[in-house]
Amino acid sequence: DTGVSQNPRHKITKRGQNVTFRCDPISEHNRLYWYRQTLGQGPEFLTYFQNEAQLEKSRLLSDRFSAERPKGSFSTLEIQRTEQGDSAMYLCASRGGGIYGYTFGSGTRLTVV
Amino acid sequence: GESVGLHLPTLSVQEGDNSIINCAYSNSASDYFIWYKQESGKGPQFIIDIRSNMDKRQGQRVTVLLNKTVKHLSLQIAATQPGDSAVYFCAENPFRSGNTGKLIFGQGTTLQVKP
Repeated sequence: DTGVSQNPRHKITKRGQNVTFRCDPISEHNRLYWYRQTLGQGPEFLTYFQNEAQLEKSRLLSDRFSAERPKGSFSTLEIQRTEQGDSAMYLCASRGGGIYGYTFGSGTRLTVV
Repeated sequence: GESVGLHLPTLSVQEGDNSIINCAYSNSASDYFIWYKQESGKGPQFIIDIRSNMDKRQGQRVTVLLNKTVKHLSLQIAATQPGDSAVYFCAENPFRSGNTGKLIFGQGTTLQVKP
């Protein structure tokens, strides 16, 4: 499989728990993005990595959210002390040097109960 | 703030007819646009893109039209098929200095194809 892989596909957690999602981008892509999508809405940008450097973070990314890409390959997105408002689809995307080829994964659907 | 939006939340068409999905954008600095298709439970899938130095671009059964005067973008799907049923988003990527390549999405139009 040469696409963007995200795990888990679904996560149900109790309010207050921490969760971590993983994204494996297309291997030759050095740029990686996280987006959040709520029901009926378009994806909203959260953060951007070029190689291992996190170069931009949205104001949507509160202190409870942290993202890493330690070796410039896979990335993790952690949400601490989850709240019901965090329930959403979390999408990862990657691309190479040009904007063409911007590829999304299938996402991780988070439900906070 | 500036955003990319779509005119209609839902579009219902008969199989075999042509579909037109519209999008209005407000960021005059935008010079690159993408249409995505999203099926239930999946991530957005690239359909076609267009740069601001073009008015029209054609792909396989799809055409994107860009009217910079009125800041309007449309996606035309020819001979719509049941497999075209999905949510369609337009997205903006303004190539400003230091651009990170992040995309700004509209709210989406749900295309329903009736057999």
